[in-house]
Amino acid sequence: DTEVTQTPKHLVMGMTNKKSLKCEQHMGHRAMYWYKQKAKKPPELMFVYSYEKLSINESVPSRFSPECPNSSLLNLHLHALQPEDSALYLCASSQDRDREQPQHFGDGTRLSIL
Amino acid sequence: AQKVTQAQTEISVVEKEDVTLDCVYETRDTTYYLFWYKQPPSGELVFLIRRNSFDEQNEISGRYSWNFQKSTSSFNFTITASQVVDSAVYFCALSEARNFNKFYFGSGTKLNVKP
Repeated sequence: DTEVTQTPKHLVMGMTNKKSLKCEQHMGHRAMYWYKQKAKKPPELMFVYSYEKLSINESVPSRFSPECPNSSLLNLHLHALQPEDSALYLCASSQDRDREQPQHFGDGTRLSIL
Repeated sequence: AQKVTQAQTEISVVEKEDVTLDCVYETRDTTYYLFWYKQPPSGELVFLIRRNSFDEQNEISGRYSWNFQKSTSSFNFTITASQVVDSAVYFCALSEARNFNKFYFGSGTKLNVKP
């Protein structure tokens, strides 16, 4: 079992809906990440939180809104998404002191926009 | 320019064959980190190995081995006596010390191991 837990596993929503993706880790990691992955492509970085502060935003459209309520939780709020936003959304976490530490990934949420 | 290149899009082998997945990287930093991840159909990226730029020692872990060569900017991954469970997409990734939270992933190599 992965140590990074993502819910829900699958999500189908219309373009006018508002939904949230959730991610939780209890490894004491202080960096958390959101990635978007389209089929047969590598993960694309969206956001990085370091010590609960947003440190990287890879020019992601405002219809994606991240939130880090505490060091264990990471949310991604979705609103007015487009069909091209259908993808696998992966959450990851890592220690934020040791530069060599790998990122640990969750199973992802498969999102479909109707 | 792409920082990590995995030229092999897809490889098919028969069980028990050895297979090498290639990874070539590009960076101007002297301190950097290299990683390999495995992504089975379930979706999760599983961390396999990391290397920093000062450690060129090759590593073997069971059927897996890694060959890091700074002279050719390569970090290749070999699976010995492949098994059907090795079927997955494998990603090589690079991070640089000045922005170590940002991973540059290669395009991935899909490995099919047939019984």
